[in-house]
Amino acid sequence: KAGVTQTPRYLIKTRGQQVTLSCSPISGHRSVSWYQQTPGQGLQFLFEYFSETQRNKGNFPGRFSGRQFSNSRSEMNVSTLELGDSALYLCASSLAGSWWETQYFGPGTRLLVL
Amino acid sequence: SQQGEEDPQALSIQEGENATMNCSYKTSINNLQWYRQNSGRGLVHLILIRSNEREKHSGRLRVTLDTSKKSSSLLITASRAADTASYFCATDQYSGAGSYQLTFGKGTKLSVIP
Repeated sequence: KAGVTQTPRYLIKTRGQQVTLSCSPISGHRSVSWYQQTPGQGLQFLFEYFSETQRNKGNFPGRFSGRQFSNSRSEMNVSTLELGDSALYLCASSLAGSWWETQYFGPGTRLLVL
Repeated sequence: SQQGEEDPQALSIQEGENATMNCSYKTSINNLQWYRQNSGRGLVHLILIRSNEREKHSGRLRVTLDTSKKSSSLLITASRAADTASYFCATDQYSGAGSYQLTFGKGTKLSVIP
Protein backbone atom coordinates (compact mmCIF):
# COMPACT_ATOMS: atom_id res chain seq x y z
CA LYS A 1 0.00 0.00 0.00
CA ALA A 2 1.20 3.50 -0.74
CA GLY A 3 1.87 5.61 2.32
CA VAL A 4 0.50 8.98 3.27
CA THR A 5 1.47 11.64 0.76
CA GLN A 6 1.59 15.37 1.24
CA THR A 7 1.94 18.12 -1.32
CA PRO A 8 3.71 20.36 -1.73
CA ARG A 9 6.79 19.35 0.27
CA TYR A 10 8.16 22.87 0.57
CA LEU A 11 6.49 26.23 0.34
CA ILE A 12 7.60 29.82 0.75
CA LYS A 13 4.98 32.50 1.29
CA THR A 14 4.91 36.08 2.52
CA ARG A 15 2.96 37.53 5.40
CA GLY A 16 -0.70 38.11 4.64
CA GLN A 17 -0.94 35.47 1.94
CA GLN A 18 -2.91 32.29 2.25
CA VAL A 19 -1.81 28.72 1.65
CA THR A 20 -3.45 25.36 0.99
CA LEU A 21 -1.76 22.08 1.85
CA SER A 22 -2.92 18.69 0.66
CA CYS A 23 -2.83 15.24 2.22
CA SER A 24 -3.73 11.89 0.66
CA PRO A 25 -4.21 9.18 3.29
CA ILE A 26 -3.46 5.50 2.98
CA SER A 27 -6.10 3.78 0.88
CA GLY A 28 -9.04 2.75 3.06
CA HIS A 29 -8.20 5.16 5.88
CA ARG A 30 -11.03 7.52 6.69
CA SER A 31 -9.52 9.55 9.53
CA VAL A 32 -7.04 12.32 8.75
CA SER A 33 -5.40 14.45 11.42
CA TRP A 34 -3.20 17.49 10.98
CA TYR A 35 -0.34 18.59 13.23
CA GLN A 36 1.92 21.61 13.33
CA GLN A 37 5.53 21.12 14.41
CA THR A 38 7.76 24.00 15.48
CA PRO A 39 11.01 24.02 17.47
CA GLY A 40 9.40 26.03 20.26
CA GLN A 41 6.00 24.38 20.65
CA GLY A 42 6.76 20.90 19.38
CA LEU A 43 4.01 18.84 17.77
CA GLN A 44 0.57 20.34 18.21
CA PHE A 45 -2.76 18.95 17.06
CA LEU A 46 -4.67 21.10 14.59
CA PHE A 47 -7.80 19.12 13.68
CA GLU A 48 -9.14 15.72 12.67
CA TYR A 49 -11.54 14.78 9.92
CA PHE A 50 -13.53 11.60 9.54
CA SER A 51 -15.96 10.92 6.72
CA GLU A 52 -15.83 14.54 5.54
CA THR A 53 -16.70 15.89 9.01
CA GLN A 54 -14.43 17.73 11.38
CA ARG A 55 -14.67 15.77 14.62
CA ASN A 56 -12.12 17.59 16.67
CA LYS A 57 -10.15 20.82 16.64
CA GLY A 58 -7.08 21.93 18.58
CA ASN A 59 -6.38 25.36 20.01
CA PHE A 60 -5.54 27.23 16.86
CA PRO A 61 -7.10 30.44 15.56
CA GLY A 62 -9.81 30.42 12.93
CA ARG A 63 -7.23 31.28 10.27
CA PHE A 64 -6.49 27.56 10.26
CA SER A 65 -9.18 25.54 8.55
CA GLY A 66 -9.51 22.27 6.76
CA ARG A 67 -11.78 20.00 4.86
CA GLN A 68 -12.02 16.41 3.74
CA PHE A 69 -13.33 15.08 0.48
CA SER A 70 -15.38 11.97 -0.23
CA ASN A 71 -12.21 10.05 -1.19
CA SER A 72 -10.76 10.92 2.26
CA ARG A 73 -8.16 13.29 0.85
CA SER A 74 -7.83 16.33 3.05
CA GLU A 75 -6.70 19.89 2.66
CA MET A 76 -5.79 22.48 5.24
CA ASN A 77 -5.82 26.18 4.62
CA VAL A 78 -4.10 28.96 6.49
CA SER A 79 -5.26 32.47 5.71
CA THR A 80 -3.52 35.75 6.46
CA LEU A 81 -0.19 34.09 7.12
CA GLU A 82 1.97 35.25 10.00
CA LEU A 83 5.69 34.72 10.55
CA GLY A 84 4.86 32.35 13.41
CA ASP A 85 3.06 30.02 11.01
CA SER A 86 6.42 28.88 9.68
CA ALA A 87 6.49 25.21 10.59
CA LEU A 88 6.44 21.63 9.42
CA TYR A 89 2.83 20.58 8.83
CA LEU A 90 2.21 16.88 9.18
CA CYS A 91 -0.85 14.89 8.38
CA ALA A 92 -1.59 11.43 9.69
CA SER A 93 -4.18 8.87 8.71
CA SER A 94 -5.79 5.88 10.35
CA LEU A 95 -8.77 3.66 9.63
CA ALA A 96 -11.18 5.35 12.02
CA GLY A 97 -9.14 7.49 14.40
CA SER A 98 -9.79 5.14 17.29
CA TRP A 99 -7.52 5.00 20.33
CA TRP A 100 -6.25 1.51 19.56
CA GLU A 101 -5.06 2.44 16.10
CA THR A 102 -1.67 3.51 14.89
CA GLN A 103 -1.53 6.80 13.04
CA TYR A 104 0.57 6.85 9.90
CA PHE A 105 2.30 10.10 9.11
CA GLY A 106 3.18 11.70 5.83
CA PRO A 107 6.56 13.33 5.13
CA GLY A 108 5.22 16.79 5.92
CA THR A 109 5.03 20.15 4.19
CA ARG A 110 7.61 22.66 5.33
CA LEU A 111 6.16 26.16 5.19
CA LEU A 112 8.33 29.23 5.45
CA VAL A 113 6.61 32.59 5.89
CA LEU A 114 8.73 35.65 5.08
CA SER B 1 -0.88 21.17 25.42
CA GLN B 2 1.97 18.75 26.07
CA GLN B 3 0.86 15.53 27.73
CA GLY B 4 4.09 13.57 27.55
CA GLU B 5 7.51 14.79 28.57
CA GLU B 6 10.59 12.93 27.40
CA ASP B 7 13.81 12.69 29.31
CA PRO B 8 16.60 13.32 28.52
CA GLN B 9 16.14 16.03 25.91
CA ALA B 10 19.31 14.89 24.18
CA LEU B 11 21.40 11.73 24.35
CA SER B 12 24.71 10.93 22.70
CA ILE B 13 26.09 7.38 22.70
CA GLN B 14 28.59 5.20 20.85
CA GLU B 15 27.45 2.69 18.27
CA GLY B 16 26.74 -0.64 19.91
CA GLU B 17 25.65 0.86 23.24
CA ASN B 18 22.09 0.81 24.52
CA ALA B 19 19.95 3.93 24.60
CA THR B 20 17.19 4.52 27.12
CA MET B 21 14.61 7.28 26.86
CA ASN B 22 11.88 8.02 29.35
CA CYS B 23 8.44 9.56 29.01
CA SER B 24 6.11 10.83 31.70
CA TYR B 25 2.50 11.85 31.20
CA LYS B 26 -0.19 13.48 33.25
CA THR B 27 -3.62 11.93 32.70
CA SER B 28 -4.87 8.38 32.33
CA ILE B 29 -4.39 6.80 28.93
CA ASN B 30 -5.62 3.94 26.78
CA ASN B 31 -2.30 3.53 25.04
CA LEU B 32 1.10 5.07 24.62
CA GLN B 33 3.03 5.12 21.38
CA TRP B 34 6.61 5.84 20.43
CA TYR B 35 7.54 7.49 17.15
CA ARG B 36 10.85 8.28 15.49
CA GLN B 37 11.56 11.31 13.36
CA ASN B 38 14.62 11.67 11.20
CA SER B 39 15.77 15.24 10.74
CA GLY B 40 12.80 17.33 9.64
CA ARG B 41 10.87 14.45 8.12
CA GLY B 42 7.64 12.65 8.94
CA LEU B 43 7.13 10.50 11.99
CA VAL B 44 7.57 6.75 11.81
CA HIS B 45 5.56 4.63 14.21
CA LEU B 46 7.72 2.33 16.33
CA ILE B 47 5.54 0.64 18.89
CA LEU B 48 2.20 0.92 20.66
CA ILE B 49 1.68 -0.33 24.20
CA ARG B 50 -1.77 -0.54 25.72
CA SER B 51 -2.55 0.53 29.26
CA ASN B 52 -3.02 -3.09 30.38
CA GLU B 53 0.41 -4.10 29.08
CA ARG B 54 3.63 -3.67 31.04
CA GLU B 55 6.26 -4.50 28.46
CA LYS B 56 6.48 -4.92 24.73
CA HIS B 57 9.28 -5.87 22.36
CA SER B 58 9.85 -5.20 18.69
CA GLY B 59 13.22 -6.16 17.27
CA ARG B 60 15.85 -4.13 19.12
CA LEU B 61 13.18 -2.04 20.85
CA ARG B 62 11.81 -2.67 24.31
CA VAL B 63 9.08 -0.49 25.77
CA THR B 64 7.83 -0.57 29.34
CA LEU B 65 4.78 1.12 30.78
CA ASP B 66 4.08 1.88 34.42
CA THR B 67 0.59 3.35 34.68
CA SER B 68 0.90 3.84 38.44
CA LYS B 69 3.82 6.18 37.87
CA LYS B 70 2.43 7.48 34.57
CA SER B 71 5.70 6.76 32.84
CA SER B 72 7.15 4.75 29.98
CA SER B 73 10.62 3.95 28.77
CA LEU B 74 12.02 3.07 25.37
CA LEU B 75 15.18 0.98 25.21
CA ILE B 76 17.10 0.61 21.96
CA THR B 77 19.68 -2.15 22.22
CA ALA B 78 22.90 -2.40 20.21
CA SER B 79 22.39 1.03 18.69
CA ARG B 80 23.43 1.86 15.15
CA ALA B 81 24.29 5.14 13.46
CA ALA B 82 21.00 4.82 11.57
CA ASP B 83 19.15 5.12 14.91
CA THR B 84 20.18 8.77 15.07
CA ALA B 85 16.85 10.61 15.21
CA SER B 86 14.39 12.29 17.54
CA TYR B 87 12.11 10.00 19.51
CA PHE B 88 8.65 11.05 20.69
CA CYS B 89 6.15 9.46 22.99
CA ALA B 90 2.49 10.12 22.28
CA THR B 91 -0.57 9.42 24.37
CA ASP B 92 -4.17 9.23 23.28
CA GLN B 93 -6.57 11.85 24.49
CA TYR B 94 -10.30 11.56 23.99
CA SER B 95 -11.65 14.64 22.29
CA GLY B 96 -15.33 13.79 22.05
CA ALA B 97 -17.53 12.60 19.17
CA GLY B 98 -15.57 9.35 18.94
CA SER B 99 -12.38 11.20 18.14
CA TYR B 100 -9.01 10.63 19.74
CA GLN B 101 -6.02 12.87 19.23
CA LEU B 102 -2.39 12.11 19.88
CA THR B 103 -0.61 14.38 22.33
CA PHE B 104 3.15 14.42 21.90
CA GLY B 105 6.05 15.19 24.14
CA LYS B 106 8.90 17.40 22.96
CA GLY B 107 11.12 14.45 22.15
CA THR B 108 14.55 13.06 22.89
CA LYS B 109 17.24 13.76 20.32
CA LEU B 110 19.44 10.68 20.03
CA SER B 111 22.86 10.82 18.40
CA VAL B 112 24.67 7.54 17.77
CA ILE B 113 28.34 8.06 17.05
CA PRO B 114 29.94 5.50 14.70
